[in-house]
Amino acid sequence: EVQLVESGGGLVQPGRSLRLSCAASGFTFDDYAMHWVRQIPGKALEWVSGISWSYGPTAYADSVKGRFTISRDNAKNSLYLQMNSLRAEDTALYYCAKEGRVGVVSYWGQGTLVTVSS
Amino acid sequence: EIVMTQSPATLSVSPGERATLSCRASQSVSSNLAWYQQKPGQAPRLLIYGASTRATGIPARFSGSGSGTEFTLTISSLQSEDFAVYYCQQYNNWYTFGQGTKLEIK
Repeated sequence: EVQLVESGGGLVQPGRSLRLSCAASGFTFDDYAMHWVRQIPGKALEWVSGISWSYGPTAYADSVKGRFTISRDNAKNSLYLQMNSLRAEDTALYYCAKEGRVGVVSYWGQGTLVTVSS
Repeated sequence: EIVMTQSPATLSVSPGERATLSCRASQSVSSNLAWYQQKPGQAPRLLIYGASTRATGIPARFSGSGSGTEFTLTISSLQSEDFAVYYCQQYNNWYTFGQGTKLEIK
């Protein structure tokens, strides 16, 4: 059974940093691209960042480019999101998402809540 | 960055009737378009990929059409469990989601 378990969320002050983690199990982690998607409660989904199956291409939404860094450790079956210079508008539930064979999200975690507030 | 625009923002339909949701891309995404359903407190659920292919376990009342920049999700006869928020997503160039259509009971 595929499982994606996010951690690392919490309350952080504007301008500070936070690192999210996603522990993956139930599939061959290094065979798949992975993504972070966020959602302000009651609002739309927003793709944040993605990373290819290898340690290759990464991409970011314009809203986080230059502030967030996605990475993965295939030996630990883990995905990460380093978030720097956090802003109030980064407050959201952050989902870890596994890309499937056809290119869309095939599995979602339950999310970790990030609140940026003084 | 590809922008996805969904319409309408809210759609009120009676159970048993047909619902038609639209999605437009700011540039061609070919057929690399997916639809997701999301209910409160839950992660999204994949309905359609490749613009028109139903995901595993999705009932036949859900159908998708379109290519390029214009796409449609049709639910032929609404059941009570279909009232939710629906998102389109392009995956031609990484990902972008639309802003969602809330399907509510009339």
